[in-house]
Amino acid sequence: QVQLQESGPGLVKPSETLSLTCRVSGASVSSGNYYWSWIRQPPGKRPEWIGYIFYTGSTNYNPSLESRVSISADKSKNQFFLRLTSVTVADTAVYYCGRDALDGIDNWGQGTPVTVSS
Amino acid sequence: DIQMTQSPSTLSASVGDRVTITCRASQNINIWLAWYQQKPGEAPNLLIYKASTLESGVPSRFSGSGSGTEFTLTISSLQPGDFATYYCQQYNTYSRTFGQGTKVEI
Repeated sequence: QVQLQESGPGLVKPSETLSLTCRVSGASVSSGNYYWSWIRQPPGKRPEWIGYIFYTGSTNYNPSLESRVSISADKSKNQFFLRLTSVTVADTAVYYCGRDALDGIDNWGQGTPVTVSS
Repeated sequence: DIQMTQSPSTLSASVGDRVTITCRASQNINIWLAWYQQKPGEAPNLLIYKASTLESGVPSRFSGSGSGTEFTLTISSLQPGDFATYYCQQYNTYSRTFGQGTKVEI
Protein backbone atom coordinates (compact mmCIF):
# COMPACT_ATOMS: atom_id res chain seq x y z
CA GLN A 1 0.00 0.00 0.00
CA VAL A 2 1.48 3.29 -1.12
CA GLN A 3 1.41 6.09 1.42
CA LEU A 4 2.66 9.65 1.18
CA GLN A 5 2.94 12.01 4.15
CA GLU A 6 3.67 15.72 3.99
CA SER A 7 5.39 17.57 6.81
CA GLY A 8 6.58 21.09 7.42
CA PRO A 9 5.70 24.38 9.11
CA GLY A 10 2.08 25.44 9.00
CA LEU A 11 2.92 29.13 9.20
CA VAL A 12 5.43 31.04 7.08
CA LYS A 13 6.11 34.77 7.07
CA PRO A 14 5.85 36.80 3.87
CA SER A 15 9.11 36.95 1.85
CA GLU A 16 10.46 33.83 3.59
CA THR A 17 10.99 30.35 2.16
CA LEU A 18 8.49 27.50 2.46
CA SER A 19 10.05 24.06 2.83
CA LEU A 20 8.05 20.83 2.87
CA THR A 21 8.98 17.15 3.01
CA CYS A 22 7.07 14.19 1.57
CA ARG A 23 7.84 10.79 3.07
CA VAL A 24 6.97 7.86 0.82
CA SER A 25 6.24 4.30 1.92
CA GLY A 26 5.16 1.32 -0.13
CA ALA A 27 6.88 2.68 -3.26
CA SER A 28 10.28 3.99 -4.22
CA VAL A 29 11.15 7.48 -5.41
CA SER A 30 13.84 5.68 -7.39
CA SER A 31 11.16 4.01 -9.53
CA GLY A 32 11.24 4.95 -13.18
CA ASN A 33 7.49 4.71 -13.66
CA TYR A 34 6.37 7.76 -11.72
CA TYR A 35 6.72 11.50 -11.32
CA TRP A 36 6.87 12.53 -7.66
CA SER A 37 4.74 15.64 -7.51
CA TRP A 38 3.67 18.62 -5.49
CA ILE A 39 0.21 20.12 -5.88
CA ARG A 40 -1.44 22.86 -3.87
CA GLN A 41 -5.02 23.98 -3.40
CA PRO A 42 -5.90 27.45 -2.11
CA PRO A 43 -9.05 27.60 0.02
CA GLY A 44 -12.15 27.11 -2.14
CA LYS A 45 -10.17 26.90 -5.38
CA ARG A 46 -9.02 24.28 -7.86
CA PRO A 47 -5.83 22.27 -7.33
CA GLU A 48 -2.73 23.83 -8.87
CA TRP A 49 0.13 21.66 -10.10
CA ILE A 50 3.47 22.93 -8.73
CA GLY A 51 5.89 20.47 -10.32
CA TYR A 52 7.50 17.05 -10.14
CA ILE A 53 10.78 15.20 -9.99
CA PHE A 54 11.62 12.06 -11.95
CA TYR A 55 13.88 9.30 -10.64
CA THR A 56 16.71 10.62 -12.80
CA GLY A 57 16.57 13.88 -10.86
CA SER A 58 15.08 15.82 -13.75
CA THR A 59 12.34 18.24 -12.80
CA ASN A 60 9.49 20.16 -14.39
CA TYR A 61 7.73 23.12 -12.82
CA ASN A 62 4.59 25.17 -13.33
CA PRO A 63 5.75 28.14 -15.45
CA SER A 64 3.94 30.54 -13.13
CA LEU A 65 6.05 29.35 -10.18
CA GLU A 66 9.27 28.31 -11.90
CA SER A 67 11.34 31.26 -10.72
CA ARG A 68 10.59 30.50 -7.04
CA VAL A 69 10.26 26.71 -6.79
CA SER A 70 12.62 23.77 -6.56
CA ILE A 71 11.91 20.08 -5.98
CA SER A 72 14.58 17.63 -4.89
CA ALA A 73 14.76 14.09 -3.55
CA ASP A 74 16.73 11.96 -1.12
CA LYS A 75 16.60 8.41 -2.47
CA SER A 76 18.32 6.99 0.61
CA LYS A 77 15.46 8.22 2.79
CA ASN A 78 12.75 7.73 0.14
CA GLN A 79 11.67 11.34 0.49
CA PHE A 80 11.25 14.31 -1.76
CA PHE A 81 11.09 17.99 -0.98
CA LEU A 82 9.51 21.28 -2.01
CA ARG A 83 11.14 24.66 -1.62
CA LEU A 84 9.22 27.81 -2.49
CA THR A 85 10.98 31.13 -2.00
CA SER A 86 9.70 34.68 -1.47
CA VAL A 87 6.24 33.57 -0.38
CA THR A 88 3.25 35.90 -0.26
CA VAL A 89 -0.29 35.54 1.07
CA ALA A 90 -1.22 34.15 -2.37
CA ASP A 91 0.82 31.04 -1.50
CA THR A 92 -1.55 30.16 1.34
CA ALA A 93 -2.97 26.73 0.50
CA VAL A 94 -3.17 23.07 1.39
CA TYR A 95 -0.04 21.49 -0.06
CA TYR A 96 -0.21 17.90 -1.27
CA CYS A 97 2.48 15.54 -2.42
CA GLY A 98 1.45 12.89 -4.89
CA ARG A 99 2.56 10.06 -7.14
CA ASP A 100 1.92 10.90 -10.76
CA ALA A 101 1.60 7.61 -12.63
CA LEU A 102 1.89 9.36 -16.01
CA ASP A 103 -1.83 8.66 -16.31
CA GLY A 104 -3.13 10.74 -13.46
CA ILE A 105 -2.06 11.23 -9.85
CA ASP A 106 -2.98 7.90 -8.34
CA ASN A 107 -1.77 8.42 -4.79
CA TRP A 108 -1.98 11.58 -2.70
CA GLY A 109 -0.83 12.57 0.75
CA GLN A 110 -3.43 13.83 3.18
CA GLY A 111 -2.26 17.41 2.61
CA THR A 112 -0.70 19.95 4.92
CA PRO A 113 -2.15 23.45 5.34
CA VAL A 114 0.28 26.33 4.99
CA THR A 115 -0.61 29.88 5.90
CA VAL A 116 1.51 32.85 4.87
CA SER A 117 1.10 35.59 7.42
CA SER A 118 3.21 37.94 9.48
CA ASP B 1 -0.55 26.89 -21.02
CA ILE B 2 -3.51 24.60 -21.62
CA GLN B 3 -6.66 25.90 -19.93
CA MET B 4 -9.35 23.53 -18.70
CA THR B 5 -12.96 24.68 -18.33
CA GLN B 6 -15.69 22.66 -16.67
CA SER B 7 -19.45 23.04 -16.81
CA PRO B 8 -21.58 23.41 -14.89
CA SER B 9 -19.85 24.86 -11.82
CA THR B 10 -22.59 23.51 -9.58
CA LEU B 11 -25.06 20.74 -10.25
CA SER B 12 -28.10 19.92 -8.11
CA ALA B 13 -29.24 16.33 -8.31
CA SER B 14 -30.96 13.54 -6.42
CA VAL B 15 -29.99 10.00 -5.54
CA GLY B 16 -30.55 7.80 -8.59
CA ASP B 17 -30.12 10.61 -11.12
CA ARG B 18 -27.88 10.32 -14.18
CA VAL B 19 -25.35 13.14 -14.04
CA THR B 20 -23.03 14.47 -16.76
CA ILE B 21 -20.15 16.92 -16.31
CA THR B 22 -18.32 18.50 -19.25
CA CYS B 23 -14.67 19.50 -19.47
CA ARG B 24 -13.19 21.48 -22.37
CA ALA B 25 -9.52 21.96 -23.14
CA SER B 26 -8.17 25.12 -24.79
CA GLN B 27 -6.24 22.96 -27.26
CA ASN B 28 -6.09 19.34 -28.42
CA ILE B 29 -5.02 17.02 -25.59
CA ASN B 30 -5.87 13.73 -27.36
CA ILE B 31 -7.04 11.38 -24.59
CA TRP B 32 -4.69 12.63 -21.89
CA LEU B 33 -7.35 13.54 -19.38
CA ALA B 34 -8.07 12.41 -15.84
CA TRP B 35 -11.08 12.89 -13.55
CA TYR B 36 -10.93 13.19 -9.76
CA GLN B 37 -13.49 13.24 -6.96
CA GLN B 38 -12.81 15.38 -3.91
CA LYS B 39 -14.77 15.43 -0.67
CA PRO B 40 -14.39 18.21 1.93
CA GLY B 41 -11.17 17.93 3.93
CA GLU B 42 -9.80 15.14 1.73
CA ALA B 43 -7.31 14.88 -1.11
CA PRO B 44 -8.64 14.36 -4.63
CA ASN B 45 -9.17 10.73 -5.62
CA LEU B 46 -8.41 9.49 -9.15
CA LEU B 47 -11.50 8.08 -10.87
CA ILE B 48 -10.66 7.91 -14.59
CA TYR B 49 -7.54 8.30 -16.72
CA LYS B 50 -6.89 8.32 -20.47
CA ALA B 51 -10.32 9.97 -20.73
CA SER B 52 -12.25 6.71 -20.33
CA THR B 53 -10.24 4.14 -18.35
CA LEU B 54 -11.66 3.42 -14.91
CA GLU B 55 -9.11 3.43 -12.08
CA SER B 56 -8.98 0.17 -10.13
CA GLY B 57 -11.62 0.02 -7.40
CA VAL B 58 -13.81 2.78 -8.83
CA PRO B 59 -17.48 1.77 -9.22
CA SER B 60 -18.68 1.10 -12.76
CA ARG B 61 -21.41 3.75 -12.47
CA PHE B 62 -18.63 6.23 -13.28
CA SER B 63 -17.65 6.54 -16.93
CA GLY B 64 -15.70 8.95 -19.07
CA SER B 65 -15.64 9.77 -22.74
CA GLY B 66 -14.21 12.20 -25.24
CA SER B 67 -11.01 13.11 -27.01
CA GLY B 68 -9.37 16.18 -28.43
CA THR B 69 -10.89 19.14 -26.63
CA GLU B 70 -14.21 17.94 -25.24
CA PHE B 71 -14.74 15.36 -22.50
CA THR B 72 -17.52 14.15 -20.25
CA LEU B 73 -17.79 12.39 -16.91
CA THR B 74 -21.04 10.52 -16.36
CA ILE B 75 -22.40 9.03 -13.16
CA SER B 76 -25.14 6.63 -14.24
CA SER B 77 -27.05 6.49 -10.94
CA LEU B 78 -25.98 8.96 -8.28
CA GLN B 79 -25.32 7.46 -4.86
CA PRO B 80 -25.18 9.30 -1.51
CA GLY B 81 -21.37 9.08 -1.40
CA ASP B 82 -21.07 10.73 -4.82
CA PHE B 83 -22.02 14.19 -3.58
CA ALA B 84 -18.64 15.87 -3.94
CA THR B 85 -16.61 18.14 -6.19
CA TYR B 86 -15.23 16.72 -9.44
CA TYR B 87 -12.16 18.00 -11.28
CA CYS B 88 -10.75 17.23 -14.69
CA GLN B 89 -6.99 17.44 -15.27
CA GLN B 90 -4.99 17.37 -18.50
CA TYR B 91 -1.58 15.74 -18.82
CA ASN B 92 -0.94 16.17 -22.54
CA THR B 93 2.24 18.12 -21.98
CA TYR B 94 4.92 17.95 -19.33
CA SER B 95 2.72 20.20 -17.18
CA ARG B 96 -0.64 19.49 -15.64
CA THR B 97 -3.66 21.78 -15.27
CA PHE B 98 -6.98 21.27 -13.52
CA GLY B 99 -10.46 22.45 -14.33
CA GLN B 100 -12.20 24.77 -11.90
CA GLY B 101 -14.37 21.97 -10.53
CA THR B 102 -18.02 20.92 -10.54
CA LYS B 103 -19.77 20.61 -7.21
CA VAL B 104 -22.49 17.97 -7.21
CA GLU B 105 -24.96 18.79 -4.46
CA ILE B 106 -28.30 17.52 -3.26
